[in-house]
Amino acid sequence: GENVEQHPSTLSVQEGDSAVIKCTYSDSASNYFPWYKQELGKRPQLIIDIRSNVGEKKDQRIAVTLNKTAKHFSLHITETQPEDSAVYFCAASISGNQFYFGTGTSLTVIP
Amino acid sequence: GAGVSQSPSNKVTEKGKDVELRCDPISGHTALYWYRQSLGQGLEFLIYFQGNSAPDKSGLPSDRFSAERTGGSVSTLTIQRTQQEDSAVYLCASAPSGGTYEQYFGPGTRLTVT
Repeated sequence: GENVEQHPSTLSVQEGDSAVIKCTYSDSASNYFPWYKQELGKRPQLIIDIRSNVGEKKDQRIAVTLNKTAKHFSLHITETQPEDSAVYFCAASISGNQFYFGTGTSLTVIP
Repeated sequence: GAGVSQSPSNKVTEKGKDVELRCDPISGHTALYWYRQSLGQGLEFLIYFQGNSAPDKSGLPSDRFSAERTGGSVSTLTIQRTQQEDSAVYLCASAPSGGTYEQYFGPGTRLTVT
């Protein structure tokens, strides 16, 4: 089955700096790659996603890149703000069937 | 409109007892997923329902775990003879049909087995 690895497990950045979180996946059939933000005690919320027919997608300060050949995808957050502090999860799915999640990255933005 | 709801929000049970966790998906969503999240960990896939198809149960950790979805809507996750290692937050998510794939999560049920 699919195996998703996520790095780093923790990340601290100064406010205004960029943050990058990386994930790799193993199943070349995976074609949907969402990223979720989970604040303490709350439910995961989708922040951005990308499909395998696209190499990059951007939404304001958040961008995701996908390298199908290398089977890795990354989340980029620019101009970080304290409210970006949360745990971020990547996931991989084949057409919305099973979703396999990474182990999460705890991001702390230091004011 | 209403989002995904789950009940109860918290459940404390004694080891060996059975528990039932409920998920009400967003109306019209055909896909429903159950996940388990242990403290500080990622989301572990448990089971997936899609429309009237047979569910994908490949993530259920043991035969003590089962789930059903009645009428293509409400789902119940049952854990029999609970063990302390079953303590976790159980999250449900639903997604619409038509290739959208986007999951909407419920608030979760925090299960504590004493």
